[in-house]
Amino acid sequence: SQQGEEDPQALSIQEGENATMNCSYKTSINNLQWYRQNSGRGLVHLILIRSNEREKHSGRLRVTLDTSKKSSSLLITASRAADTASYFCATDGGNNRLAFGKGNQVVVIP
Amino acid sequence: DAGITQSPRHKVTETGTPVTLRCHQTENHRYMYWYRQDPGHGLRLIHYSYGVKDTDKGEVSDGYSVSRSKTEDFLLTLESATSSQTSVYFCAIRPGQVTDTQYFGPGTRLTVL
Repeated sequence: SQQGEEDPQALSIQEGENATMNCSYKTSINNLQWYRQNSGRGLVHLILIRSNEREKHSGRLRVTLDTSKKSSSLLITASRAADTASYFCATDGGNNRLAFGKGNQVVVIP
Repeated sequence: DAGITQSPRHKVTETGTPVTLRCHQTENHRYMYWYRQDPGHGLRLIHYSYGVKDTDKGEVSDGYSVSRSKTEDFLLTLESATSSQTSVYFCAIRPGQVTDTQYFGPGTRLTVL
């Protein structure tokens, strides 16, 4: 089964800096999604990028997708303390289920 | 939490006892999912449902069963809980035709002693 794998696993940055996370996967996908999880809470959907898209923006988020390399990146610009969370990528292979990566923990220091 | 509730939110039980977790949605969405989250493993799919009485196994289904007798409720049962099933369990829904994204409940923290 396909599975997202994020890299790096943990990231600590100063407020105002940009944070970049990468995700790789193994098989073909219909779309790739990024989720955020604050400590002790459920996951919240951030952004979805379809396999025929290369880049997508949502507020301070920018996602890229390279299907030839089977990889995606999530960029958070001008980070804030409230961005401290774990970030997961998830791949949708069109079988009504998502395969999640292990997650990236991001700490934004005020 | 997109109209999704999970109960109980916390449970401590002993090895060998049966446990049932409930996921309830208010939106009548077709797809519902049960995941478990463990350190170092991310989220792993246990079972999912694509309609009333229609369910399928995920990647870590051994030791778990599910039932969906009503659109709004998806039950996860551990027939005989083991310590390896200590985890945080999340339910999710997917509106299906409208979007491919999933919306998650607040989670249930289960400890099996």
